[in-house]
Amino acid sequence: ELKVEQNPLFLSMQEGKNYTIYCNYSTTSDRLYWYRQDPGKSLESLFVLLSNGAVKQEGRLMASLDTKARLSTLHITAAVHDLSATYFCAVDNSGNTPLVFGKGTRLSVIA
Amino acid sequence: NAGVTQTPKFRVLKTGQSMTLLCAQDMNHEYMYWYRQDPGMGLRLIHYSVGEGTTAKGEVPDGYNVSRLKKQNFLLGLESAAPSQTSVYFCASRGGQGWNSPLHFGNGTRLTVT
Repeated sequence: ELKVEQNPLFLSMQEGKNYTIYCNYSTTSDRLYWYRQDPGKSLESLFVLLSNGAVKQEGRLMASLDTKARLSTLHITAAVHDLSATYFCAVDNSGNTPLVFGKGTRLSVIA
Repeated sequence: NAGVTQTPKFRVLKTGQSMTLLCAQDMNHEYMYWYRQDPGMGLRLIHYSVGEGTTAKGEVPDGYNVSRLKKQNFLLGLESAAPSQTSVYFCASRGGQGWNSPLHFGNGTRLTVT
């Protein structure tokens, strides 16, 4: 059974600082997804990582995938308040099977 | 382009009542999913469908039924609501290549069972 673990689950960081969110998963997969959710809103796709070593960047966020370590990271550079949200990673087990989500990391960026 | 539309947005039920949540997508997606989101639990899969006329159980299917009679619609039914079903329900769909595509989510239905 595929399990996906994120850490930390809660993160309070100062504006301008850097930090990394980690996503570990339990079985072999080379497809990983990151989503953002604002309070009371739906989930928005951020990154799709489809192979070992994949790296995607959008603004102050950069995601990477290491399939051998079964690990993805979401790195935040010089955080700003607008990045405050909950971030989820999700992993494909294989083929057409549904995504399995981590529990999410609630990020709060404070001045 | 509406994407994924869920109705209703909010609903309050009494224990034992029934209701149906409707999900409609206009992207011609094959795959559709129902998740529930509870505080501290992330998203948990209830049921899903890999095409018109097909359904399958997810992680937490008990107390729910689904139907996919038309490709664009995926219905989630609660036959006899229980307080444990108080949650936010999200419908999602996924494109033709499935495994290389992210999920597209609806805006959610907030359900309270008293």
